[in-house]
Amino acid sequence: ETGVTQTPRHLVMGMTNKKSLKCEQHLGHNAMYWYKQSAKKPLELMFVYNFKEQTENNSVPSRFSPECPNSSHLFLHLHTLQPEDSALYLCASSQGGVQETQYFGPGTRLLVL
Amino acid sequence: GQQLNQSPQSMFIQEGEDVSMNCTSSSIFNTWLWYKQDPGEGPVLLIALYKAGELTSNGRLTAQFGTTRKDSFLNISASIPSDVGIYFCAGPSDSGAGSYQLTFGKGTKLSVIP
Repeated sequence: ETGVTQTPRHLVMGMTNKKSLKCEQHLGHNAMYWYKQSAKKPLELMFVYNFKEQTENNSVPSRFSPECPNSSHLFLHLHTLQPEDSALYLCASSQGGVQETQYFGPGTRLLVL
Repeated sequence: GQQLNQSPQSMFIQEGEDVSMNCTSSSIFNTWLWYKQDPGEGPVLLIALYKAGELTSNGRLTAQFGTTRKDSFLNISASIPSDVGIYFCAGPSDSGAGSYQLTFGKGTKLSVIP
């Protein structure tokens, strides 16, 4: 059982489509994160929200647009993606602070055609 | 930026054997985390270490925070088929302005032969 849920689990989209990924955490945490995981690469941090405020944007292309309406929900809006954006997108949350132990959701497997 | 080097990259072992993997860094970490990821799933936290020299167990798993604070290792005893997966080490790095990011190693892929 996980305290972080993600939907959808799988997504196939064309390069002209617009879609959104959703993440919800039930752990009472204050920080939420989006990561991209491609084959044979370390996890890449994309965005960080702390108390609903975006604190990190690791040079992510504007075709990825995050939204954090409250500390329990995080969205990643996708538009005009490229095939190289196909990857597993992981959401995580943490209480916040120095220790930063993050708890991950199951991920959304995205395929861009 | 800070990097974590994990070794080995992959390993094949017989069921019942013990496994050891490690993670090293060129800089000091104040926390070491070990995660396991099953195929198509998100990483799951196995063990968190907060103090240099700390040795922590979770069932058949044991992890240690190196005394130099630049390394950590994870041992799995008496491996079973469900131990298969990718094991990641991670540690928080200061990205400035009171914000922290987790730096991840590239992972150790474990295969268990029944």
